[in-house]
Amino acid sequence: GDSVTQMEGPVTLSEEAFLTINCTYTATGYPSLFWYVQYPGEGLQLLLKATKADDKGSNKGFEATYRKETTSFHLEKGSVQVSDSAVYFCALSDGAGGYNKLIFGAGTRLAVHP
Amino acid sequence: DAGITQSPRHKVTETGTPVTLRCHQTENHRYMYWYRQDPGHGLRLIHYSYGVKDTDKGEVSDGYSVSRSKTEDFLLTLESATSSQTSVYFCAISLAGGQNEQFFGPGTRLTVL
Repeated sequence: GDSVTQMEGPVTLSEEAFLTINCTYTATGYPSLFWYVQYPGEGLQLLLKATKADDKGSNKGFEATYRKETTSFHLEKGSVQVSDSAVYFCALSDGAGGYNKLIFGAGTRLAVHP
Repeated sequence: DAGITQSPRHKVTETGTPVTLRCHQTENHRYMYWYRQDPGHGLRLIHYSYGVKDTDKGEVSDGYSVSRSKTEDFLLTLESATSSQTSVYFCAISLAGGQNEQFFGPGTRLTVL
């Protein structure tokens, strides 16, 4: 079945460092891809999405490009801030069965230090 | 703010006790979902609903039941709570099916002793 694999954390960076969190997926169809962020004690917030191959999702300085050839959707940010410390989840939706089935990766915790 | 509230936000209960968690939305979205979040597993779908009185099972539905008598409310019930159901539970909504994004509530932390 469909699955999402994320790099294990925690990822620890200094402020203003470059961030990459790897995400690869397995899907039989043509899924939409998402990155969600979870701040401590809160629910998940949609960070960005891409719905087809070569689409680039972007928001708040974060970017991810839907790469069908490598089945990847890596999250990047050029200069992280302490406020970016959170858990990041990669997810896919294949639309199977008519309802919106989201499959999540295990999450990657990011800690940014001043 | 997706207009989703969950209650209670925290609950501690004992093994064998029935527990009901509530999700309330103000968006009039058709689709609602219950997930549990556990370390190393991300979020896993328990049950979902595609309309009033229309529900179906997700990947980890054993030990859980749901009900949806109104568009805005989706209830998750643990008929007889077990320690393995200690988790953080999230409700989510989406406007449509297909491949649309979901919006999440703030979560309920449940501890079963």
